[in-house]
Amino acid sequence: DGGITQSPKYLFRKEGQNVTLSCEQNLNHDAMYWYRQDPGQGLRLIYYSQIVNDFQKGDIAEGYSVSREKKESFPLTVTSAQKNPTAFYLCASSMGDYGSGRVEQFFGPGTRLTVL
Amino acid sequence: RKEVEQDPGPFNVPEGATVAFNCTYSNSASQSFFWYRQDCRKEPKLLMSVYSSGNEDGRFTAQLNRASQYISLLIRDSKLSDSATYLCVVTGAMDSSYKLIFGSGTRLLVRP
Repeated sequence: DGGITQSPKYLFRKEGQNVTLSCEQNLNHDAMYWYRQDPGQGLRLIYYSQIVNDFQKGDIAEGYSVSREKKESFPLTVTSAQKNPTAFYLCASSMGDYGSGRVEQFFGPGTRLTVL
Repeated sequence: RKEVEQDPGPFNVPEGATVAFNCTYSNSASQSFFWYRQDCRKEPKLLMSVYSSGNEDGRFTAQLNRASQYISLLIRDSKLSDSATYLCVVTGAMDSSYKLIFGSGTRLLVRP
């Protein structure tokens, strides 16, 4: 059963702690993405990776870090430097023709992070 | 100006109604357009892709107007299960076509 999994579904963290969110896909997609969604707002891109061992900052990368050691996995670390980390975090993957723009992204179920 | 703008709604319609959402985008070089559906506290799910002037899938029709830089989504014969937030999504320009830019969404409530 192909898809994208994220864990955990809910995560609580104390201020000042780093926390890592997991994202795994078995769709054989090359590109993976991390977004953040706040209530009533659109998704904002944190980081993306188009191939293994390479990743780029998105629009709101400050306070976050990622790694892409395997094609299937793209974990996101929310560091203590992130000032307002409470949000819904969504991982996505895609495979497509970037030249033509025919790139459809598919999302995991998300992780809801709350900082106490 | 936001890169992708949508009326937040909510649109409150009776079952069986036809409802249309509009979305405007600012980057004339955007190549591809999508409508995603997002249920409360869930992930977005791809509803339709629009690569040319439009697309139709059952009760759903998406239209693209590149000259005016807007995309529309028409839902015919609304069902209760259509209640959700509909996200308008646009790709970046050629050199950043991997990047999706999301609108804040339009909320639809279908009542019995």
